[in-house]
Amino acid sequence: AQSVSQHNHHVILSEAASLELGCNYSYGGTVNLFWYVQYPGQHLQLLLKYFSGDPLVKGIKGFEAEFIKSKFSFNLRKPSVQWSDTAEYFCAVHGSSNTGKLIFGQGTTLQVKP
Amino acid sequence: NAGVTQTPKFRVLKTGQSMTLLCAQDMNHEYMYWYRQDPGMGLRLIHYSVGEGTTAKGEVPDGYNVSRLKKQNFLLGLESAAPSQTSVYFCASSYAGLNTEAFFGQGTRLTVV
Repeated sequence: AQSVSQHNHHVILSEAASLELGCNYSYGGTVNLFWYVQYPGQHLQLLLKYFSGDPLVKGIKGFEAEFIKSKFSFNLRKPSVQWSDTAEYFCAVHGSSNTGKLIFGQGTTLQVKP
Repeated sequence: NAGVTQTPKFRVLKTGQSMTLLCAQDMNHEYMYWYRQDPGMGLRLIHYSVGEGTTAKGEVPDGYNVSRLKKQNFLLGLESAAPSQTSVYFCASSYAGLNTEAFFGQGTRLTVV
């Protein structure tokens, strides 16, 4: 069955530290991959997405992610975090043969200390 | 352009009561989804729809029913609410399946006592 796993449940960083959040999925076919962010008290917003082409995708607010097909991974990175990046981050996958099923990981809570 | 609108935003129910959550989108999207968000569990798909008149079960469909009578609306029903259904519910919509992104509503916080 299609699934998504996020390795880090709670990450605490100081401002200017580098960030990498892990995401692995299980699905054998073509996938769309997403990272969404949820700021405290708000709804989910799209950070970035991968549909096809260049496996290194850039999103908003300096975030980027790399799709490594052989590892079934789509890790999120940011070279220097800010206090305003404090939020919950969700990885999601949509598989080609599961029409309509957009499945999310458990989420990672990022706390950035000023 | 309102995007995805959920009604109500907050609700408290007693065990055994029923209610319907409404999701409306004005983007002419084909696909609509209902998720529940619980601490440490992420977002879990309850039901989804790939077009008007269609519905399908997601990961955690038990205790919920849905209807998509109009393209712009996706209703989530709880026939007999249980405390385990206390959660934040999010609706989302997308233009199609693959190669499109989903847009989310603001959420409905439901408490069942």
